[in-house]
Order: sequence, then structure tokens, then C-alpha cells
Amino acid sequence: DTAVSQTPKYLVTQMGNDKSIKCEQNLGHDTMYWYKQDSKKFLKIMFSYNNKELIINETVPNRFSPKSPDKAHLNLHINSLELGDSAVYFCASSQEARGAFFGQGTRLTVV
Amino acid sequence: AQTVTQSQPEMSVQEAETVTLSCTYDTSESDYYLFWYKQPPSRQMILVIRQEAYKQQNATENRFSVNFQKAAKSFSLKISDSQLGDAAMYFCALSSGEYGNKLVFGAGTILRVKS
Repeated sequence: DTAVSQTPKYLVTQMGNDKSIKCEQNLGHDTMYWYKQDSKKFLKIMFSYNNKELIINETVPNRFSPKSPDKAHLNLHINSLELGDSAVYFCASSQEARGAFFGQGTRLTVV
Repeated sequence: AQTVTQSQPEMSVQEAETVTLSCTYDTSESDYYLFWYKQPPSRQMILVIRQEAYKQQNATENRFSVNFQKAAKSFSLKISDSQLGDAAMYFCALSSGEYGNKLVFGAGTILRVKS
């Protein structure tokens, strides 16, 4: 069974559209994250939820809205997509600071 | 603030030989964790090895080991008996509870393995 799974793996969409990425973890972890990997492969935290509560929001445009219906799920909704949003988005989960386990990533391409 | 620096954009190693990837970090916390992640072309992020800052003993996982120098804030990864499957991007990362356990990553090192 996949520990952290996110869908879809690939997403191609036009500028101005709204899209969502879903993530689920079956590890029983309390904390879930969204990370963004840009075209230079640099990885940066976007959001973190602990037991459905938002604890980290790192200067991300408010077009990005995370939602955590329960501690096993963390979704990312993006409004009014822009060309600069093209990147790989990773969902991850962890228990305390022991290291995060990542989903397979979603490659978002905005055209 | 926490920062992680990987000064080697790219490294090469001959199959079966040993290679060391460098990482330095900065944090004001006393309680933190350090990690090495591997990202192969499949883009999956794989946790290779973890080191708790309070432990003096260097972590090892099979062919992977670290050299953790706390005073120097250095955390290098040694890969022994390199295999073709080790070819990937390697990221050094730091986390601590004071920062919500988020991972702060270095820029990564591309490792090429020659046969």
C-alpha cells in the first residue's frame, strides 16, 4: 500500500483555470505538508497542517488554499492559475521532526 | 532562520567506489534533525538517512553513512560501493520542532555514477 498518495500525477491546464490536487496518507501521521519544487529543483515548504489545523503558511499567494478534512487528507486548491505556478507539488506527512514521507508529486503545467 | 547549503552542484563516481556529498547548515536550535533525501529521475523523494542532533554517533543505513560534525554544522553523506541505481539528485535537509517540523532543503547535488 502506498504510504502517501497524491492525485493526479500530471496536470496540464490553461491560465486562469482552477485546479485541485488531492493527498492522502495511511501512516497515521499527525502532520501533513505541501512542498513546491521549482524548475531548478529547489524545494520549499508551502503549508503544513497538524491534526487538521494550519500551522505553517509560507508567504504563498492566497490563490493557493489548502484544506484538511481530516488528519489523513490534505488537498490543495489553486485558483486563477498563472504560468509561474508551473512546478512539481509534493504532499508529505511526518510524525514530529523525524523526517517526512513524500507522495510521488504532481507535475503542474500551466499553458 | 534555518539554512542548508550544498556547495557541490554535481558529483561523479565510478561504480563500486565511494563518494561523499557535502552539506552545511545553520540553526539556532539545539534540538533538530538532519536528513538526506534521494530524488531519482522518477521524481519520488526517498528518505535515505536521518540523524538526530543530540546523538553523537553517526547514522548508517547499509551503504549510506553520515559524518555529523555538530560544532562545525556539517553533515556529509558517504555512499560506499556505489551502484548505478544511486544516480539521482541528493538533498540535504534540516527540521526542528520550533519551526513546525518543516523541512528546509539545500539546493541539491546531482550524483552521476559511471560504469
